[in-house]
Formats: sequence, structure tokens, C-alpha cells
Amino acid sequence: DQQVKQNSPSLSVQEGRISILNCDYTNSMFDYFLWYKKYPAEGPTFLISISSIKDKNEDGRFTVFLNKSAKHLSLHIVPSQPGDSAVYFCAASASNFGNEKLTFGTGTRLTIIP
Amino acid sequence: EAGVAQSPRYKIIEKRQSVAFWCNPISGHATLYWYQQILGQGPKLLIQFQNNGVVDDSQLPKDRFSAERLKGVDSTLKIQPAKLEDSAVYLCASSLSLQGQGEKLFFGSGTQLSVL
Repeated sequence: DQQVKQNSPSLSVQEGRISILNCDYTNSMFDYFLWYKKYPAEGPTFLISISSIKDKNEDGRFTVFLNKSAKHLSLHIVPSQPGDSAVYFCAASASNFGNEKLTFGTGTRLTIIP
Repeated sequence: EAGVAQSPRYKIIEKRQSVAFWCNPISGHATLYWYQQILGQGPKLLIQFQNNGVVDDSQLPKDRFSAERLKGVDSTLKIQPAKLEDSAVYLCASSLSLQGQGEKLFFGSGTQLSVL
């Protein structure tokens, strides 16, 4: 049962334009969401997070939007740069699980075209 | 600050052989995780330690996988005997503590295991 879904395996965006990566979840107990970025042959690195008490969190070029009613979140990257080319994983956790266990999506490979 | 260290980087074995992976977390991080990432999938938690105690091992195939974290620092993950479906990248991660709201994890580069 895939509780966190990233339905787009890949995405190509022109340099300078906006990249929008989407994520859906099914477990209503999830109340904290994170995006991780992964380059080849490296481990994932934390990018940005959002609590369920917010609907938007911004950090520089990166903004995450959360729509709780739709159980949907998205990551916006503006403007997109070649160094943003990587695999992006959406992850979710539930505070009442007590152990901050993260459930990851399958990832979206973002390619920025110069 | 040194990151999460893992070894070996790559490992190729035949099915039914055994293999072990090693992880050294970031200094001071109480919580350590082992994740399995099969090609085309997201990382899946195998086991989570708080210091040297197991917090969650619900998705660890205990008939063939084992893990320990002696002295609450380094950890080893062992597979015995390996199956073809164990081919994956094994990621170790650590975080400061168990508490906190969705505390972010710091991952190592992983060990890529190929079972032939």
C-alpha cells in the first residue's frame, strides 16, 4: 500500500522556468511533510518541510504548498537552475506514531534543460 | 561536520551468501535508521534505533536480516542468506533525537548491493 505517491516519474523544465513537483498521500494521520533531493551515488539530503498547521513554507527558491483537504502537496522551484537536476522524494510522518518514521514516495527525476 | 559514513560503497555477492554493512552516524546523533531503496522505489525503513535500543523493526525481514547498534554509536546490518530481491541500495541515516516534529534525517551515501 503506497501511502505517499509521486505519480510523475520524471519532469523536464527549461532553465529559468518554474518546476512543480507533486505528491499525494492517503494516510490522514500524516501531519509533517518533507522534501528530499538526491544526486546520483549520494544519499538524499533534506530540502524543505511543512507542518500540517501551515499551507505554505518558503525557503529561497523553494516553496512547498500543502492542501490538506486534497491530501496533496507540491514543491515549486523558481527559477530552476541546472544544479536542481536530481531525484526529488516526498516524505511524510505522523507525530502520534511517536518515532518520526518517514514514509517516502517513489521519487520524481527532475531534469533542467540549459 | 562529518556526515554519516557507510561502507562498503559497493558489494556484489551470489545468492545464499551473507553480507554485512557498516554505518557510523553523525557524532551526537541518538537515532539511527537503516533504509532499503530498491531501484525505482523510495527508501523503505528497515529498522530504527534510539541509542542502542530498537524503536521500530516492523519491516525488517527477521528471518534473514539482522542489525545491531553496539554502544549506541556504530551500527551493522547483516543479510544471511541473501536473495536476488535483496539487490538494492542500503542507506543509513541519523538524526539528533527521537523527539521533535518530523526531525530531518541525514543520510549516508549508501551501499549498493547486487545479488547474482
